[in-house]
Amino acid sequence: DAGITQSPRHKVTETGTPVTLRCHQTENHRYMYWYRQDPGHGLRLIHYSYGVKDTDKGEVSDGYSVSRSKTEDFLLTLESATSSQTSVYFCAINRGDISEQFFGPGTRLTVL
Amino acid sequence: KNQVEQSPQSLIILEGKNCTLQCNYTVSPFSNLRWYKQDTGRGPVSLTIMTFSENTKSNGRYTATLDADTKQSSLHITASQLSDSASYICVVSPRTGNQFYFGTGTSLTVIP
Repeated sequence: DAGITQSPRHKVTETGTPVTLRCHQTENHRYMYWYRQDPGHGLRLIHYSYGVKDTDKGEVSDGYSVSRSKTEDFLLTLESATSSQTSVYFCAINRGDISEQFFGPGTRLTVL
Repeated sequence: KNQVEQSPQSLIILEGKNCTLQCNYTVSPFSNLRWYKQDTGRGPVSLTIMTFSENTKSNGRYTATLDADTKQSSLHITASQLSDSASYICVVSPRTGNQFYFGTGTSLTVIP
């Protein structure tokens, strides 16, 4: 599992509430990513980070914000959750010379 | 536009049979292509990584091929097992930038 954990693993929340998902790595890798996975769309990049306090947007960043105050933690926040954000969220890191990604176990989020 | 397309979308085969999954891409300039296996409820795990100069690479019963001229890759699974039931995702990296381009995956079901 490349030392990646995600929390929580499952969450059910209501529309309009804030939600924060956490990704934690134990290997001090520079690059970390947040993806969402939905049927028919595959994995889509939300945000990524290339260092502490250094982040950039992906293709589906609207409605999401991220923070990285420590190398090991990358947080994804939904300021006001909507039903369209019901999805499975994966965190990933890059490790090695060839940019191979290693994924966490995922967080299943349901917004009612 | 950089895209990755996979076919078929889903596939059902008998245990012990072989199968081939396809991946076509338009990502340019090309750096490398990976095949991932994603078991239900888990994050994707890399099977093979192929660079521009590689035509074939094997990982046990999995053999990936790459034709950089036609921008096509295939993943051949030999003597399928029930544990091969999963989604197989093709991911292409460009030579520049920090993003990856994901196919929507092929869902493989191996039945006894």
